[in-house]
Amino acid sequence: QVQLQESGPGLVKPSETLSLTCTVSGGSISGYYWSWIRQPAGKGLEWIGRIYSSGSTNYNPSLKSRVTMSVDTSKNQFSLKLSSVTAADTAVFYCARGVCSSTSCSFDYWGQGTLVTVSS
Amino acid sequence: QSALTQEASVSGTVGQKVTLSCTGNSNNIGSYAVGWYQQISHGAPKTVMFGNSLPSGIPDRFSGSKSGTTASLTISGLQPEDEADYYCSTWDYSLGAWVFGGGTKLTVL
Repeated sequence: QVQLQESGPGLVKPSETLSLTCTVSGGSISGYYWSWIRQPAGKGLEWIGRIYSSGSTNYNPSLKSRVTMSVDTSKNQFSLKLSSVTAADTAVFYCARGVCSSTSCSFDYWGQGTLVTVSS
Repeated sequence: QSALTQEASVSGTVGQKVTLSCTGNSNNIGSYAVGWYQQISHGAPKTVMFGNSLPSGIPDRFSGSKSGTTASLTISGLQPEDEADYYCSTWDYSLGAWVFGGGTKLTVL
């Protein structure tokens, strides 16, 4: 059973960079796309971006200028950096595995989520 | 404004059949079946439908379908524990991005 666990600071100051890591256990990170998704309090889910195990990335166009994702296959981890954060970036951040076939695309495994608050 | 459109709220009684919908366009739902995710009391999302397949451990009262650019999640024999927020998502090949619906709050009366 694949499990994902987010980790990182729960409090980030405005204008600084938010950094999170997702550790994958119970399976290999290789051969899959891995995504970051966030959810502000009381709101819906927003996709931030994805990274393939080879390191290729796709980002949400609305966040692209501030997002960097990386992967470390030796540690079975992938990471998110979101720069120049404001209070509007306060959210629960989830990591998830997304799988696409020729006929369907779905996330199958999710982390438990981690709350990141942007405040001075 | 979400790329996929879902009902804001749906309600049903125990034992009833309810259907949640998710509408997109030819670049997303028109090309790919969606995933459906259940979120109870703002906990982590849980996948209840993977394309049109039921993940292991999900009761078979959940089923999924797609017609054109609209996907549906049907719960047959609604149970109190099904009360949750439900989200749909899929890949949009034109945007090169995953897209989500705004979520449907399902209330079990």
